[in-house]
Amino acid sequence: DVVMIQSPLSLPVTLGQPASISCRSSHSLVHRDGNTYLNWFHQRPGQAPRRLIYRVSNRDSGVPDRFSGSGSDTDFTLKISRVEAEDVGVYYCMQGTYWPYTFGQGTKLEIK
Amino acid sequence: VQLVESGGGLVQPGGSLRLSCAASGFTFDNYAVHWVRLRSGKGLEWVSGIFWKGGGTGYADSVKGRFIISRDSAKNSLYLQMNSLRTEDTALYYCVYDGIPGGAESWGQGTLVTVSS
Repeated sequence: DVVMIQSPLSLPVTLGQPASISCRSSHSLVHRDGNTYLNWFHQRPGQAPRRLIYRVSNRDSGVPDRFSGSGSDTDFTLKISRVEAEDVGVYYCMQGTYWPYTFGQGTKLEIK
Repeated sequence: VQLVESGGGLVQPGGSLRLSCAASGFTFDNYAVHWVRLRSGKGLEWVSGIFWKGGGTGYADSVKGRFIISRDSAKNSLYLQMNSLRTEDTALYYCVYDGIPGGAESWGQGTLVTVSS
């Protein structure tokens, strides 16, 4: 199985400041069709996960443009340009290139 | 797009449960549908998936031989038959539709399974 490693696991951030989460995979996530199926999710307490980013860098509908995804092959990053109060929760990366799908351990973002 | 899970509850170790996921507002079609769980204090874990068109399935090693995923196209519904349940299967189980390959685009609100004596 592909192992997904996120860092940091805890991310205290001041409102208005940027934040960055790293996600590394144990195998290249480039599918034989040429696409890279790396997604980012946000989960607030008591809510289902919501996908923010798909295929590395594509923002889902309704996701603020302060969120951006980048990376390639085995190394990926989620960036928040200016953290807002509603951004608290746990962020997960997930690879959908191979079955079984696998998730990172989760990064808990909190406001300082 | 809405996914609604049901069938969770309290069951003793060794028991069985059948989870259901009904889709409304869209039709499961070309892509895979999955069960993903969230155990307390842990992260998200993929449990099982099925390709809606071809019916191919996959299972996490932790549930292989105990859980069976299935679908009913006429009812636009997904199922998970859970047998020989263990305390470590206690979790919130989400139904997840890919929407695009590898996408995990749409999630239900989850159904809680508690395995305890």
